[in-house]
Amino acid sequence: QKEVEQNSGPLSVPEGAIASLNCTYSDRVSQSFFWYRQYSGKSPELIMSIYSNGDKEDGRFTAQLNKASQYVSLLIRDSQPSDSATYLCAVNMYSGGGADGLTFGKGTHLIIQP
Amino acid sequence: DGGITQSPKYLFRKEGQNVTLSCEQNLNHDAMYWYRQDPGQGLRLIYYSQIVNDFQKGDIAEGYSVSREKKESFPLTVTSAQKNPTAFYLCASSIPGLGYNEQFFGPGTRLTVL
Repeated sequence: QKEVEQNSGPLSVPEGAIASLNCTYSDRVSQSFFWYRQYSGKSPELIMSIYSNGDKEDGRFTAQLNKASQYVSLLIRDSQPSDSATYLCAVNMYSGGGADGLTFGKGTHLIIQP
Repeated sequence: DGGITQSPKYLFRKEGQNVTLSCEQNLNHDAMYWYRQDPGQGLRLIYYSQIVNDFQKGDIAEGYSVSREKKESFPLTVTSAQKNPTAFYLCASSIPGLGYNEQFFGPGTRLTVL
């Protein structure tokens, strides 16, 4: 069973603080990992992708991957009220070439308090 | 502008009717996907296509059908066999073969069965 687990929240963080979102996955052969942001009533927007162990930074966002422990996390620095959204963790659990679908977690609802 | 379009934005269907949701992309992506999202849930894969005239079932294909006659288009038909079709339907596309499979989403179609 392919599973991606996230804490549903809500996670409440003061404006200007660091928001930390976590995700674990079940399939050890997973190759690619993504974070999507979804505002209420809208479609998901890709904000980070990571493929190798370690950290990847893009602006205020940092994705962290640990394949041995099967977890991926997203840090948002200097949180802004506009960061309030649901964050979906997605994993590409294919074992060969080609483009299979992604397996999504249920998302973490993040609230940035002004 | 390059992007993914879905139509209609909202769709109402009577029980027993088939409906077709449109998805078009001008990103020149080879792979296209259909996902379904229920309230408070992550996305679940319905069907995907890596190339024209070929497609594969995802995790919840029962009650749905697709076609891929053109690279740009991947319509989804929700048949009367789908027991609980009310949901938010999302189409995505990606460039396969890179091993990463970053997927980009259209704005979605919200289907309600009356």
